[in-house]
Amino acid sequence: ELKVEQNPLFLSMQEGKNYTIYCNYSTTSDRLYWYRQDPGKSLESLFVLLSNGAVKQEGRLMASLDTKARLSTLHITAAVHDLSATYFCAVTGAQKLVFGQGTRLTINP
Amino acid sequence: DGGITQSPKYLFRKEGQNVTLSCEQNLNHDAMYWYRQDPGQGLRLIYYSQIVNDFQKGDIAEGYSVSREKKESFPLTVTSAQKNPTAFYLCASSIDRTGVYTEAFFGQGTRLTVV
Repeated sequence: ELKVEQNPLFLSMQEGKNYTIYCNYSTTSDRLYWYRQDPGKSLESLFVLLSNGAVKQEGRLMASLDTKARLSTLHITAAVHDLSATYFCAVTGAQKLVFGQGTRLTINP
Repeated sequence: DGGITQSPKYLFRKEGQNVTLSCEQNLNHDAMYWYRQDPGQGLRLIYYSQIVNDFQKGDIAEGYSVSREKKESFPLTVTSAQKNPTAFYLCASSIDRTGVYTEAFFGQGTRLTVV
């Protein structure tokens, strides 16, 4: 059974700092997705990572995928308050999309 | 514009009542999904469908039912057997070509409350 685990689950950081969210998954998959969710809202797609070694960047966010280690990272550079949200990773397996628990990120001025 | 439409946005259910949540997509996607999200929690898969007239149970299917009579539509019924239905329900769709799954797009969600 495919399991997806994120850590940390909660992250409080100051503006201007760097940090990384980790996403581990239990079975082979070559497709990994990162989503953002604001309170009370739906999920917004951030990144789609389709192969080993894939790296994508958008603004202060950068995502990477290591399929051999079954690990993806979401790196935040010089955080700003607008990035406060819950971030989910998701992996496809057995014809369905399985999500991690989410990381609630709070960025303080 | 292409997208996924969920309705209603807010829904109130009385004890013992069945209610149906609507999900429609005009993206020509084959695969559709229903997730449940409880406050402060992640997403749990209720049902999913890869093709018309076929669907599979997810991790928490008990107390729910679905149908997939049309490619565009995947309604979810929350039955009276679901004892704790208050939650945020999200519908998603993705392309499925030869078993290769691409990015899933989400509707805006339906917030269901038992009164």
